[in-house]
Amino acid sequence: AQSVTQLGSHVSVSEGALVLLRCNYSSSVPPYLFWYVQYPNQGLQLLLKYTSAATLVKGINGFEAEFKKSETSFHLTKPSAHMSDAAEYFCAVSGRTSYDKVIFGPGTSLSVIP
Amino acid sequence: DTGVSQDPRHKITKRGQNVTFRCDPISEHNRLYWYRQTLGQGPEFLTYFQNEAQLEKSRLLSDRFSAERPKGSFSTLEIQRTEQGDSAMYLCASSIDRDSYQETQYFGPGTRLLVL
Repeated sequence: AQSVTQLGSHVSVSEGALVLLRCNYSSSVPPYLFWYVQYPNQGLQLLLKYTSAATLVKGINGFEAEFKKSETSFHLTKPSAHMSDAAEYFCAVSGRTSYDKVIFGPGTSLSVIP
Repeated sequence: DTGVSQDPRHKITKRGQNVTFRCDPISEHNRLYWYRQTLGQGPEFLTYFQNEAQLEKSRLLSDRFSAERPKGSFSTLEIQRTEQGDSAMYLCASSIDRDSYQETQYFGPGTRLLVL
């Protein structure tokens, strides 16, 4: 069984400040991990994914995430927040086969204060 | 480069009516997924297809819900006798299954359903 928790349903940062969105997962098999972003009234867009290669994964728009097996975490960071980063962010976990479902966390809403 | 498209984008209906949503995946993708997303939650899996075969259905998918992908291209999701609890965003995603490893799912913009 797999599950995802995202600490903090809402996070506010100042423009230019560090963005840190937390994700912890539970998985009975070696996981693939994903971060998606959703802008209002739009579908989900993949930011980055971990597939068991490098533990530090770089994604689009300056985001990156680090897989830490010992902490079962996959936190998302960005050094400097832009106003355009304001959106809903979802962490997700799946197994490695195409027959494993992707399980999404509840999401974290990011606000960027000018 | 066309992505996943969904139609309609918004649907308002009265309780008890039937509604049908359409999803057109990325053309070479053989996998197609339906998810439901309620306010403040992440997407929840409903069902998925490999080509025209429906391989799995969630227990969230009651007998009022039916999905088809008749020619392995577009898919429809029908809800019969809608209830207010069906109000949600319905998301479609597609991916390509080449070698049985989990591939990235690409999402459409969703259909937002409001049942009055």
